[in-house]
Amino acid sequence: LAKTTQPISMDSYEGQEVNITCSHNNIATNDYITWYQQFPSQGPRFIIQGYKTKVTNEVASLFIPADRKSSTLSLPRVSLSDTAVYYCLVGGAGSYQLTFGKGTKLSVIP
Amino acid sequence: DVKVTQSSRYLVKRTGEKVFLECVQDMDHENMFWYRQDPGLGLRLIYFSYDVKMKEKGDIPEGYSVSREKKERFSLILESASTNQTSMYLCASMGTPGYEQYFGPGTRLTVT
Repeated sequence: LAKTTQPISMDSYEGQEVNITCSHNNIATNDYITWYQQFPSQGPRFIIQGYKTKVTNEVASLFIPADRKSSTLSLPRVSLSDTAVYYCLVGGAGSYQLTFGKGTKLSVIP
Repeated sequence: DVKVTQSSRYLVKRTGEKVFLECVQDMDHENMFWYRQDPGLGLRLIYFSYDVKMKEKGDIPEGYSVSREKKERFSLILESASTNQTSMYLCASMGTPGYEQYFGPGTRLTVT
């Protein structure tokens, strides 16, 4: 399983775009990149998943460069309710085991 | 909407007690997971199951066992609870392997 490295914490003001970068230097050819969000006292919630280039949904965008050794989760115009821990995971299609790192604690400031 | 429920949100047990944590999912998923989450350590996989009566060890299975008698239900068992098992326990289910996992709300277990 590829190991991931993300910043421990980030602060942002309301209304700003937030970019959280994850490093995964030993990503395998069949690995996907997945991001989860976790609020206090709740289980993690799936945000977005991608393999290469760019993926966008109603919540976030995921940017993956050609070498796939890193990825960036982009949250547009964050609000206070986006304060949470964000986890980057790498794993192959067909994989049962996901490795959650320590995540990035995002604090949105009014 | 997928729903994963856990039997208790908060639980207090004494050292040496046998503890059962139950998880139920309503999406007919074949795959179910038990994690524990501790400050500074993130989520760590204890056990997972890919079918009824099938189980596989995760990263930290010591001190735990599991049971999957029905597809929708996955139980985590602490045979003899110890204080170092005080933690948040999270259950998850998954349809297609490698894709989205759906988590329950968690059980905060305190062993005194």
